[in-house]
Amino acid sequence: DAGVIQSPRHEVTEMGQEVTLRCKPISGHDYLFWYRQTMMRGLELLIYFNNNVPIDDSGMPEDRFSAKMPNASFSTLKIQPSEPRDSAVYFCASSFTSGGADTQYFGPGTRLTVL
Amino acid sequence: DAKTTQPNSMESNEEEPVHLPCNHSTISGTDYIHWYRQLPSQGPEYVIHGLTSNVNNRMASLAIAEDRKSSTLILHRATLRDAAVYYCILSIDYGGSQGNLIFGKGTKLSVKP
Repeated sequence: DAGVIQSPRHEVTEMGQEVTLRCKPISGHDYLFWYRQTMMRGLELLIYFNNNVPIDDSGMPEDRFSAKMPNASFSTLKIQPSEPRDSAVYFCASSFTSGGADTQYFGPGTRLTVL
Repeated sequence: DAKTTQPNSMESNEEEPVHLPCNHSTISGTDYIHWYRQLPSQGPEYVIHGLTSNVNNRMASLAIAEDRKSSTLILHRATLRDAAVYYCILSIDYGGSQGNLIFGKGTKLSVKP
């Protein structure tokens, strides 16, 4: 299995531009998570999906952030317009089963730099 | 949400055992104890998890206190590749729904050759 795939691995953009991050979860996994990691705030959960449906988006920082999961094998996280404070590493993770014993598998992350 | 407390950093010598402590005094009966680690420039990686009994796998062992208010991750022989940030996390089970993982600051483990 290729694991969780994220693209791009690095993104540099200018303030005000739209940014789209992409994630392909592990086949057969029914949960998908988006996290953001910064030095100041550590690793934060932004949103997660179950069977392509958003379950909890309380971690999404503001309306500039949106996430979609049109099918079981693809999800996007969009920032529009981007701001310098959005600079961070964004991780996607997926898991199977339900309950507290689930294991999440993380992708390699997308390092976003907003100038 | 139940919180965990870990030392900010620890040091170990290569090929020696490492005991990484975690306190979770407000743990509830349905909370699982998870350990993940994050190597430099990589995403977090699952290490081990448990509920009440001690657990062993190929990566590590997890020792859980009888009252479940603390646990210890044991790396039996540290290697340079084990240098990472180790996160102790309580997974909250919402009665059949996915348990969210809330990452704290973790323990940064340094391994000296």
